[in-house]
Amino acid sequence: DTGVSQNPRHKITKRGQNVTFRCDPISEHNRLYWYRQTLGQGPEFLTYFQNEAQLEKSRLLSDRFSAERPKGSFSTLEIQRTEQGDSAMYLCASSYGTANEKLFFGSGTQLSVL
Amino acid sequence: EDQVTQSPEALRLQEGESSSLNCSYTVSGLRGLFWYRQDPGKGPEFLFTLYSAGEEKEKERLKATLTKKESFLHITAPKPEDSATYLCAVVRSNDYKLSFGAGTTVTVRA
Repeated sequence: DTGVSQNPRHKITKRGQNVTFRCDPISEHNRLYWYRQTLGQGPEFLTYFQNEAQLEKSRLLSDRFSAERPKGSFSTLEIQRTEQGDSAMYLCASSYGTANEKLFFGSGTQLSVL
Repeated sequence: EDQVTQSPEALRLQEGESSSLNCSYTVSGLRGLFWYRQDPGKGPEFLFTLYSAGEEKEKERLKATLTKKESFLHITAPKPEDSATYLCAVVRSNDYKLSFGAGTTVTVRA
């Protein structure tokens, strides 16, 4: 068990650029989640995959955000035309089973939009 | 909409000084309440899940309890390594995603 891996750890970009983050979940986990966290706040749910199917997207996820999980393995989160308000820590988490909400989180990708 | 409120926002303790953190929640049909620990620059780390009122869980110096409206995380004789932000989260019945509170940042001085 190597844990949930996220890359890159830090990303600095200019407003209007596109960015992509990657998450590698724990290998046997079938559920994968993306959360966003700003300073002094708890994580906010963005989207959720069960295997390769994206089952829910939060209202927070504008059409500039897209997430994929090809073949039910790793996942990517892309933000197009970044805005300063997108600056946050993007956390990925995974879990296993039909009723197990014990999530294992990665260390996150810290995005700064200048 | 689910609401999770944690208090206090910050807590400064002397080593060995026991205290409690509060998490009050409003959710229609609670499936479970979770406590996580988060260190600076890291993702949250799972501590406990509580499912029903009256349930208690313990791990080292931490003890979590649950009532129908709130949960407490008791820290007994804390050490500096217990310094972290403690997050509370709830999951609604027939749902799978966690709704988090803003957290309580605990600082333990030697």
